Amino acid sequence: QQQVKQSPQSLIVQKGGISIINCAYENTAFDYFPWYQQFPGKGPALLIAIRPDVSEKKEGRFTISFNKSAKQFSLHIMDSQPGDSATYFCAAMFSGGGADGLTFGKGTHLIIQP
Amino acid sequence: KAGVTQTPRYLIKTRGQQVTLSCSPISGHRSVSWYQQTPGQGLQFLFEYFSETQRNKGNFPGRFSGRQFSNSRSEMNVSTLELGDSALYLCASGLESWAGELFFGEGSRLTVL
Repeated sequence: QQQVKQSPQSLIVQKGGISIINCAYENTAFDYFPWYQQFPGKGPALLIAIRPDVSEKKEGRFTISFNKSAKQFSLHIMDSQPGDSATYFCAAMFSGGGADGLTFGKGTHLIIQP
Repeated sequence: KAGVTQTPRYLIKTRGQQVTLSCSPISGHRSVSWYQQTPGQGLQFLFEYFSETQRNKGNFPGRFSGRQFSNSRSEMNVSTLELGDSALYLCASGLESWAGELFFGEGSRLTVL
């Protein structure tokens, strides 16, 4: 059972454009939603995270939008740069203690064309 | 501050063998989690240790085991290796159990022949 669905699988964006990646979750107990960025040969790196008490969080060019009623959250990368080309994973978990750790989406392979 | 260190980075084993992977968390972090990453299944939670105790275990067979030492370093072991165990095994450390922020190492790439 896939508890976090991520789309699209791959995305090509022109330099300077906005990259948007979407995720939907099923478990309403989830209360922590991070995004990870992974470059080839490296481990995932925490990019930005949000909790359901806010609808949006911005850090530099990266913004998470969160819709609790729709059980959806998305990552927006503004002014996308070639260096942003990587695989992005959304994740979710219940921070009060759960059996599944972080539940990850399948990932989005993002390519920023110069 | 040093990041999460995993050793070995790459290893090749044959079916039926066993393997032990090591993880040194960020200094001061007491939570260590292990994840398996494969192209087909993505990132999947294996287990989490906090203060030398296994707190939770994902849906993996008993061939997968782990432990944590008093200095928070952790090891995971896979016995009777199968071809399907070929994967990138990632260790993540956190300051407290279930606090949310997890920091991953670069992983141990296991190939089973």
